[in-house]
Amino acid sequence: DAGVTQSPTHLIKTRGQQVTLRCSPKSGHDTVSWYQQALGQGPQFIFQYYEEEERQRGNFPDRFSGHQFPNYSSELNVNALLLGDSALYLCASSLEGTSNTDTQYFGPGTRLTVL
Amino acid sequence: QKEVEQNSGPLSVPEGAIASLNCTYSDRGSQSFFWYRQYSGKSPELIMFIYSNGDKEDGRFTAQLNKASQYVSLLIRDSQPSDSATYLCAVRGYNKLIFGAGTRLAVHP
Repeated sequence: DAGVTQSPTHLIKTRGQQVTLRCSPKSGHDTVSWYQQALGQGPQFIFQYYEEEERQRGNFPDRFSGHQFPNYSSELNVNALLLGDSALYLCASSLEGTSNTDTQYFGPGTRLTVL
Repeated sequence: QKEVEQNSGPLSVPEGAIASLNCTYSDRGSQSFFWYRQYSGKSPELIMFIYSNGDKEDGRFTAQLNKASQYVSLLIRDSQPSDSATYLCAVRGYNKLIFGAGTRLAVHP
């Protein structure tokens, strides 16, 4: 049973550049959530995708955008990178349904460094 | 007031002891609660979830929930050095998880 996968593992960008991160959910899951985790902090919710639409968004600027594809995989795009965007970006997948099945499972994350 | 609060630690316990990790939350209407373990440089790994008041046991782990006090805890029995990690408490909001900053646990031989 394939777990959540993310690519790339690490990424180094410079200020002002744009980045795309990718996520494939756990087999059987249809919902993808993205989180940003700064060093020493808990993950912060960016947004959630279900049925190819963004249905919930956290307190992040419009520079952060995403997409979900028909196969449930997802992308996170960040434009005009700032130094403060340096963080571990986590993708979590879940299955829409009853509360007992919407537990979120995390991928290995993408470490983004902005110089 | 933060939505989910945890003592940052580090919590240091000897091998074989019981480690007690605590978490409080601000939204009285919260229904679902999760504990994740995160090793340094890795992603969070789900340990257990709890929805009902009382205790829920899974192996060496016991989650405790008291909705009246808005308090959830995780007990780790017979702590091992391999349990040394950051433990994240999460509360389910609307289509999202709200995390605390985590408690760092150090189990020393």
